[in-house]
Amino acid sequence: QVTLKESGPGMLQPSKTLSLTCSFSGFSLSTSGMVVSWIRQPSGKSLEWLAAIDWDGDKYYNPSLKSRLTVSKDTSNTQVFLKITSVDIADTATYYCARSIYYYSSYDFDYWGQGVMVTVSS
Amino acid sequence: DVLMTQTPVSLPVSLGGQVSISCRSSQSLVHSDGNTYLHWYLQKPGQSPQLLIYRVSNRFSGVPDRFSGSGSGTDFTLKISRVEPEDLGVYYCLQSTHFPYTFGAGTKLELK
Repeated sequence: QVTLKESGPGMLQPSKTLSLTCSFSGFSLSTSGMVVSWIRQPSGKSLEWLAAIDWDGDKYYNPSLKSRLTVSKDTSNTQVFLKITSVDIADTATYYCARSIYYYSSYDFDYWGQGVMVTVSS
Repeated sequence: DVLMTQTPVSLPVSLGGQVSISCRSSQSLVHSDGNTYLHWYLQKPGQSPQLLIYRVSNRFSGVPDRFSGSGSGTDFTLKISRVEPEDLGVYYCLQSTHFPYTFGAGTKLELK
């Protein structure tokens, strides 16, 4: 049974660095074809794909935010991390992590975490 | 970025009825590998998005056959027949053919 769960600070001040953790079970990120992505959703708005890391450690970023994002994984392949630097109010959102499995050249997001709400406020 | 345009924004429905949601992309979603990476999600109130349909027309595990997806190129449709209360929420299309992956703005399915 695949499960993912996000954790984060809840609230932080503008200009700080946001650190998020995605802890998962039911699959290993060391398995060929596996991917974990980060997606966010401001309240009442649509979804925005942010970043992904695959089983081989390759990393992918949304160009619109690339300079501020860092995705990584732990050596046990059971956690994925996302750091966003220099946050501002526009980064206030619910952040999700999601699992994918490559099919040929791409993938969908088949399992999602429950999301963690992050508020940027002074 | 590929723009995904969903219509309508809001869709009133009667239980037991049938509805269609349209998703149009600003570029063809046919990948050079021959596949079309267009997917549909439902986000129920207070929940995470859940995968309904992947690669245009394939139902995800546990998704009832009341849900069907179709389309090609830049024009895609999600049909829901015999609408049940648990089908209410916001539907999103997602393209993962072109980088960065992008979602539609959503279609809210609500009771008349």
